[in-house]
Amino acid sequence: DTGVSQDPRHKITKRGQNVTFRCDPISEHNRLYWYRQTLGQGPEFLTYFQNEAQLEKSRLLSDRFSAERPKGSFSTLEIQRTEQGDSAMYLCASIKDGWANYGYTFGSGTRLTVV
Amino acid sequence: SQQGEEDPQALSIQEGENATMNCSYKTSINNLQWYRQNSGRGLVHLILIRSNEREKHSGRLRVTLDTSKKSSSLLITASRAADTASYFCATPYTDKLIFGTGTRLQVFP
Repeated sequence: DTGVSQDPRHKITKRGQNVTFRCDPISEHNRLYWYRQTLGQGPEFLTYFQNEAQLEKSRLLSDRFSAERPKGSFSTLEIQRTEQGDSAMYLCASIKDGWANYGYTFGSGTRLTVV
Repeated sequence: SQQGEEDPQALSIQEGENATMNCSYKTSINNLQWYRQNSGRGLVHLILIRSNEREKHSGRLRVTLDTSKKSSSLLITASRAADTASYFCATPYTDKLIFGTGTRLQVFP
Protein backbone atom coordinates (compact mmCIF):
# COMPACT_ATOMS: atom_id res chain seq x y z
CA ASP A 1 0.00 0.00 0.00
CA THR A 2 1.50 3.29 -1.10
CA GLY A 3 -0.49 5.62 1.14
CA VAL A 4 -3.29 8.04 0.37
CA SER A 5 -3.56 8.96 -3.31
CA GLN A 6 -5.25 12.05 -4.70
CA ASP A 7 -6.04 12.82 -8.30
CA PRO A 8 -5.49 15.13 -10.04
CA ARG A 9 -2.54 16.92 -8.42
CA HIS A 10 -3.44 20.18 -10.11
CA LYS A 11 -6.62 21.45 -11.70
CA ILE A 12 -7.20 24.75 -13.46
CA THR A 13 -10.79 25.49 -14.31
CA LYS A 14 -12.86 28.40 -15.49
CA ARG A 15 -15.32 29.99 -13.13
CA GLY A 16 -18.70 28.32 -13.36
CA GLN A 17 -17.36 24.91 -14.37
CA ASN A 18 -17.78 21.77 -12.29
CA VAL A 19 -14.77 19.86 -10.98
CA THR A 20 -14.38 16.49 -9.30
CA PHE A 21 -11.48 15.25 -7.22
CA ARG A 22 -10.74 11.70 -6.19
CA CYS A 23 -9.12 10.28 -3.08
CA ASP A 24 -7.99 6.69 -2.57
CA PRO A 25 -7.30 6.05 1.12
CA ILE A 26 -5.14 3.37 2.64
CA SER A 27 -7.18 0.20 2.11
CA GLU A 28 -7.72 -0.78 5.75
CA HIS A 29 -8.58 2.78 6.84
CA ASN A 30 -12.31 3.12 7.31
CA ARG A 31 -12.36 6.86 8.05
CA LEU A 32 -11.77 9.37 5.29
CA TYR A 33 -11.54 13.13 5.69
CA TRP A 34 -11.56 16.10 3.31
CA TYR A 35 -9.87 19.35 4.23
CA ARG A 36 -9.39 22.63 2.38
CA GLN A 37 -6.28 24.75 2.78
CA THR A 38 -5.78 28.27 1.49
CA LEU A 39 -2.39 29.91 1.17
CA GLY A 40 -0.71 30.57 4.49
CA GLN A 41 -3.44 28.92 6.53
CA GLY A 42 -3.88 25.60 8.26
CA PRO A 43 -6.18 22.92 6.82
CA GLU A 44 -9.88 23.45 7.50
CA PHE A 45 -12.20 20.51 7.96
CA LEU A 46 -14.83 19.97 5.26
CA THR A 47 -16.37 16.55 5.80
CA TYR A 48 -15.65 12.98 6.83
CA PHE A 49 -16.84 9.44 6.20
CA GLN A 50 -16.85 6.35 8.31
CA ASN A 51 -17.00 3.57 5.76
CA GLU A 52 -19.64 4.77 3.26
CA ALA A 53 -21.55 6.97 5.72
CA GLN A 54 -20.94 10.72 5.64
CA LEU A 55 -21.03 11.57 9.33
CA GLU A 56 -20.26 15.27 9.47
CA LYS A 57 -20.17 18.25 7.13
CA SER A 58 -18.69 21.62 7.93
CA ARG A 59 -20.59 24.85 7.39
CA LEU A 60 -17.80 25.57 4.90
CA LEU A 61 -19.31 22.90 2.67
CA SER A 62 -21.90 24.93 0.77
CA ASP A 63 -24.58 23.29 -1.36
CA ARG A 64 -22.23 23.57 -4.34
CA PHE A 65 -20.00 20.95 -2.70
CA SER A 66 -20.85 17.28 -2.53
CA ALA A 67 -18.79 14.33 -1.40
CA GLU A 68 -19.38 10.64 -1.78
CA ARG A 69 -17.72 7.44 -0.73
CA PRO A 70 -19.49 4.60 -2.48
CA LYS A 71 -18.76 1.17 -1.03
CA GLY A 72 -16.57 2.73 1.62
CA SER A 73 -13.47 2.76 -0.54
CA PHE A 74 -12.41 5.77 -2.64
CA SER A 75 -14.10 9.13 -2.24
CA THR A 76 -14.94 11.96 -4.62
CA LEU A 77 -15.40 15.63 -3.88
CA GLU A 78 -17.35 17.61 -6.46
CA ILE A 79 -17.61 21.36 -6.66
CA GLN A 80 -20.35 22.71 -8.91
CA ARG A 81 -20.35 26.18 -10.47
CA THR A 82 -16.86 26.94 -9.21
CA GLU A 83 -16.04 30.41 -7.90
CA GLN A 84 -12.67 32.11 -7.56
CA GLY A 85 -12.94 31.72 -3.79
CA ASP A 86 -12.85 27.95 -4.24
CA SER A 87 -9.19 28.19 -5.27
CA ALA A 88 -7.32 26.22 -2.63
CA MET A 89 -5.53 22.97 -1.89
CA TYR A 90 -7.96 20.14 -1.20
CA LEU A 91 -6.48 17.52 1.08
CA CYS A 92 -7.69 14.03 1.83
CA ALA A 93 -6.69 12.03 4.90
CA SER A 94 -7.53 8.60 6.22
CA ILE A 95 -7.25 6.71 9.47
CA LYS A 96 -8.38 3.42 10.91
CA ASP A 97 -10.95 3.45 13.69
CA GLY A 98 -9.25 3.20 17.05
CA TRP A 99 -5.93 4.35 15.61
CA ALA A 100 -6.47 8.05 16.25
CA ASN A 101 -3.43 8.08 18.52
CA TYR A 102 -1.20 7.28 15.55
CA GLY A 103 -2.06 10.32 13.49
CA TYR A 104 -3.80 10.77 10.18
CA THR A 105 -2.24 9.88 6.83
CA PHE A 106 -2.63 12.65 4.28
CA GLY A 107 -2.48 12.59 0.51
CA SER A 108 -0.44 15.11 -1.46
CA GLY A 109 -3.52 17.17 -2.21
CA THR A 110 -5.25 18.59 -5.27
CA ARG A 111 -4.50 22.22 -5.97
CA LEU A 112 -7.49 23.93 -7.58
CA THR A 113 -7.14 27.22 -9.41
CA VAL A 114 -10.33 28.89 -10.61
CA VAL A 115 -9.74 31.54 -13.28
CA SER B 1 -12.75 28.79 13.12
CA GLN B 2 -9.49 27.03 13.81
CA GLN B 3 -8.71 25.58 17.18
CA GLY B 4 -5.09 26.53 17.61
CA GLU B 5 -2.87 29.50 17.19
CA GLU B 6 0.81 29.08 16.53
CA ASP B 7 3.68 31.33 17.31
CA PRO B 8 5.76 32.55 15.62
CA GLN B 9 4.07 32.68 12.23
CA ALA B 10 7.47 32.52 10.57
CA LEU B 11 10.94 31.59 11.77
CA SER B 12 14.29 31.81 9.98
CA ILE B 13 17.40 30.16 11.40
CA GLN B 14 20.79 28.85 10.33
CA GLU B 15 21.56 25.16 9.99
CA GLY B 16 22.64 23.68 13.30
CA GLU B 17 20.49 26.03 15.38
CA ASN B 18 17.45 24.91 17.32
CA ALA B 19 13.93 25.90 16.28
CA THR B 20 11.09 26.30 18.76
CA MET B 21 7.49 26.80 17.81
CA ASN B 22 4.52 27.15 20.11
CA CYS B 23 0.87 26.21 19.87
CA SER B 24 -2.07 27.32 21.97
CA TYR B 25 -5.46 25.66 21.87
CA LYS B 26 -8.86 26.41 23.28
CA THR B 27 -10.69 23.32 24.51
CA SER B 28 -9.83 20.26 26.57
CA ILE B 29 -7.93 17.62 24.64
CA ASN B 30 -6.89 14.01 24.99
CA ASN B 31 -3.91 14.44 22.70
CA LEU B 32 -2.09 16.99 20.58
CA GLN B 33 -0.36 16.22 17.30
CA TRP B 34 2.28 17.96 15.21
CA TYR B 35 2.45 17.74 11.45
CA ARG B 36 4.94 18.98 8.86
CA GLN B 37 4.04 20.22 5.40
CA ASN B 38 6.60 20.76 2.68
CA SER B 39 5.69 23.43 0.15
CA GLY B 40 2.76 22.38 -2.02
CA ARG B 41 2.53 18.92 -0.48
CA GLY B 42 0.36 17.04 2.00
CA LEU B 43 0.90 16.87 5.73
CA VAL B 44 3.10 14.33 7.44
CA HIS B 45 2.45 13.23 11.01
CA LEU B 46 5.47 13.90 13.21
CA ILE B 47 4.58 13.17 16.80
CA LEU B 48 1.63 12.82 19.16
CA ILE B 49 1.59 13.67 22.86
CA ARG B 50 -1.20 12.49 25.13
CA SER B 51 -2.86 14.75 27.69
CA ASN B 52 -1.27 12.83 30.57
CA GLU B 53 2.23 13.32 29.15
CA ARG B 54 4.34 16.41 29.69
CA GLU B 55 7.21 15.75 27.31
CA LYS B 56 7.95 13.41 24.44
CA HIS B 57 10.98 12.86 22.22
CA SER B 58 11.38 11.48 18.73
CA GLY B 59 14.82 11.77 17.16
CA ARG B 60 15.61 15.49 16.94
CA LEU B 61 12.07 16.44 17.97
CA ARG B 62 10.98 17.31 21.47
CA VAL B 63 7.37 18.14 22.26
CA THR B 64 6.06 19.52 25.53
CA LEU B 65 2.47 19.89 26.66
CA ASP B 66 1.08 22.10 29.41
CA THR B 67 -2.62 21.36 29.76
CA SER B 68 -3.05 24.01 32.47
CA LYS B 69 -1.95 26.67 30.00
CA LYS B 70 -3.48 24.90 27.00
CA SER B 71 -0.20 25.13 25.14
CA SER B 72 2.39 22.94 23.48
CA SER B 73 5.82 23.52 22.01
CA LEU B 74 7.80 21.72 19.34
CA LEU B 75 11.58 21.91 19.47
CA ILE B 76 13.70 20.80 16.53
CA THR B 77 17.32 20.46 17.55
CA ALA B 78 20.34 20.81 15.27
CA SER B 79 18.18 21.93 12.36
CA ARG B 80 18.94 21.05 8.76
CA ALA B 81 18.01 22.73 5.49
CA ALA B 82 15.67 19.78 4.88
CA ASP B 83 13.64 20.84 7.93
CA THR B 84 12.41 23.85 5.93
CA ALA B 85 8.62 23.44 5.94
CA SER B 86 5.44 24.58 7.65
CA TYR B 87 4.62 23.00 10.99
CA PHE B 88 1.09 22.64 12.33
CA CYS B 89 -0.30 21.56 15.64
CA ALA B 90 -3.62 19.74 15.61
CA THR B 91 -6.06 18.59 18.25
CA PRO B 92 -8.89 16.06 17.94
CA TYR B 93 -12.38 17.47 18.31
CA THR B 94 -15.52 15.41 17.77
CA ASP B 95 -13.87 12.79 15.55
CA LYS B 96 -11.87 15.22 13.43
CA LEU B 97 -8.60 17.09 13.70
CA ILE B 98 -8.58 20.85 14.08
CA PHE B 99 -5.39 22.51 12.90
CA GLY B 100 -3.56 25.59 14.01
CA THR B 101 -2.44 28.37 11.74
CA GLY B 102 1.07 27.00 11.36
CA THR B 103 4.67 28.16 11.67
CA ARG B 104 6.72 28.54 8.50
CA LEU B 105 10.29 27.48 9.23
CA GLN B 106 13.15 28.43 6.93
CA VAL B 107 16.54 26.86 7.64
CA PHE B 108 19.44 28.43 5.77
CA PRO B 109 22.51 26.34 4.93
